[in-house]
Amino acid sequence: GDSVTQMEGPVTLSEEAFLTINCTYTATGYPSLFWYVQYPGEGLQLLLKATKADDKGSNKGFEATYRKETTSFHLEKGSVQVSDSAVYFCALYTSGSARQLTFGSGTQLTVLP
Amino acid sequence: EAGVAQSPRYKIIEKRQSVAFWCNPISGHATLYWYQQILGQGPKLLIQFQNNGVVDDSQLPKDRFSAERLKGVDSTLKIQPAKLEDSAVYLCASSSSGSTIYNEQFFGPGTRLTVL
Repeated sequence: GDSVTQMEGPVTLSEEAFLTINCTYTATGYPSLFWYVQYPGEGLQLLLKATKADDKGSNKGFEATYRKETTSFHLEKGSVQVSDSAVYFCALYTSGSARQLTFGSGTQLTVLP
Repeated sequence: EAGVAQSPRYKIIEKRQSVAFWCNPISGHATLYWYQQILGQGPKLLIQFQNNGVVDDSQLPKDRFSAERLKGVDSTLKIQPAKLEDSAVYLCASSSSGSTIYNEQFFGPGTRLTVL
């Protein structure tokens, strides 16, 4: 079945540091890929998405590129802020028989001032 | 535009008791989802409704969990009787359609259930 593997957390960075959170996936067919973010006390929010190979999703300074050859969708940000502290989830969606979002286990990010 | 509303936000019960959660989706959204998020894991889909019909409940433990969506709007998720392993955050989400094309799911804040 479909699955998503995320780098283990938690991740602690200083403000303005470079961020990478690794995500790899296994899926039948051609999935769409997503990063969701969950701020403390809030629901999941879509951060960015990519629907086909080589697409780059971007939002709020975050980027991720859909790499079909390595089945990866790593999240990056050049300079993190304290307000980026949250849990980040990688997810995929396939339009086959499953037709549901499959999430990774999440990565807790803490940014220190 | 109002988001997905859920209540209660927190619930503590003892094992073997019953509990119910309520969700009000974004107005006009035909598809409603219930997810279970155990601490340290990603959300897992329990059930998906399209209007008031069930699309997918393959991961719903039907011996103790039930859900309904009367009139295709609000939904309730019930656990009866609860077990310790049901301690989790229960998330409700809605989207404008549940077709083969992905339509963004909007999530509520969740209900944190603790079973003692």
